[in-house]
Amino acid sequence: DQQVKQNSPSLSVQEGRISILNCDYTNSMFDYFLWYKKYPAEGPTFLISISSIKDKNEDGRFTVFLNKSAKHLSLHIVPSQPGDSAVYFCAASESGGKLIFGQGTELSVKP
Amino acid sequence: DTAVSQTPKYLVTQMGNDKSIKCEQNLGHDTMYWYKQDSKKFLKIMFSYNNKELIINETVPNRFSPKSPDKAHLNLHINSLELGDSAVYFCASSQGRLGGIQPQHFGDGTRLSIL
Repeated sequence: DQQVKQNSPSLSVQEGRISILNCDYTNSMFDYFLWYKKYPAEGPTFLISISSIKDKNEDGRFTVFLNKSAKHLSLHIVPSQPGDSAVYFCAASESGGKLIFGQGTELSVKP
Repeated sequence: DTAVSQTPKYLVTQMGNDKSIKCEQNLGHDTMYWYKQDSKKFLKIMFSYNNKELIINETVPNRFSPKSPDKAHLNLHINSLELGDSAVYFCASSQGRLGGIQPQHFGDGTRLSIL
């Protein structure tokens, strides 16, 4: 039973537009959420995180939004660039414990 | 300088064999992890060590045995390999025991294929 789900396996966006990647979770005890980015043949790299006491965290072109009542978070990339093309993993943890990952969404940003 | 390095990058072997994957980090972190990415692309934690102490041990077959000779190294030994062990195995590290908060740094993965 997957506690973290990314229901869109892929997303295609035009360069310069907004990319919105979604993630849903089922465990209400999760209190920390992270996004990782992964290029082919490389390991995931940390992108941005958010604590459950916040509903938004911004870092440059990347913003993560958390809706606790809906158990939903999203990653916004504005403006999208071709170099953002990668697989994005959502992950969650409870009290700093083990990370539970979603299955990833492959983002393709077209010039 | 590679922060988290794992070897080999590719491993092709026969069912029933025993194999090891090595991982080293030069970030000075005190916690290391092994993850398995299966065919459905989910990354699932297998083990975690903090200062050579096992702190996370998920439900994995006891054919999998991690070994941490020091806090910079975490190796994974697999006995009697089975077809279902085919996957990409990632090593990672972070500072502190709260791996769910501190960003983890991943190696580039070892693609294990069982014939």
